[in-house]
Amino acid sequence: GENVEQHPSTLSVQEGDSAVIKCTYSDSASNYFPWYKQELGKRPQLIIDIRSNVGEKKDQRIAVTLNKTAKHFSLHITETQPEDSAVYFCAASTFGGTSYGKLTFGQGTILTVHP
Amino acid sequence: DTAVSQTPKYLVTQMGNDKSIKCEQNLGHDTMYWYKQDSKKFLKIMFSYNNKELIINETVPNRFSPKSPDKAHLNLHINSLELGDSAVYFCASSLGLAGVGETQYFGPGTRLLVL
Repeated sequence: GENVEQHPSTLSVQEGDSAVIKCTYSDSASNYFPWYKQELGKRPQLIIDIRSNVGEKKDQRIAVTLNKTAKHFSLHITETQPEDSAVYFCAASTFGGTSYGKLTFGQGTILTVHP
Repeated sequence: DTAVSQTPKYLVTQMGNDKSIKCEQNLGHDTMYWYKQDSKKFLKIMFSYNNKELIINETVPNRFSPKSPDKAHLNLHINSLELGDSAVYFCASSLGLAGVGETQYFGPGTRLLVL
């Protein structure tokens, strides 16, 4: 089945700096890669996603890049703000058999933005 | 106007007990999920139902039994609770299958503590 590795596990930046979180996946058939943000004690929420026919997608301060050949994708947050502090999860989709429609999540990255 | 709701929010119980968690979505979605988030924040899918049909059944002890009486509800019953079952359980829903690009909307979570 699919395996998603996420790095780093913790990331600490100063307000205004950029933050980059990287994920690798194992199943070359995966073609959908969402990113979720989970604030402390809250539910995960989708912040951006990318499909395999696109190499990059941007939404204001957030961007995601995908390298299908290398099987890795990254989340980039520019001009970080204290409210960006949260746990970020990457995920990859797996198709076929009983895994149809399944998302496999990375281990999560705790991002702390210091004022 | 809550999109995905879960009850109870907190559940504290003794080992060996049987408990249920309920989930309801008013988004008109066809697919619902149960996830377990452990103490290290790792988010892992347990089950998924599409139009009341079980489509994802991960390697979960058979003490866990999901039930979907209709496509707006997905309940989780846990028999003979063990210490290792302590976690946050999230319900989620999506219009179609999350793995094909449909956004998953998570409930607020149920914090289960087994003593």
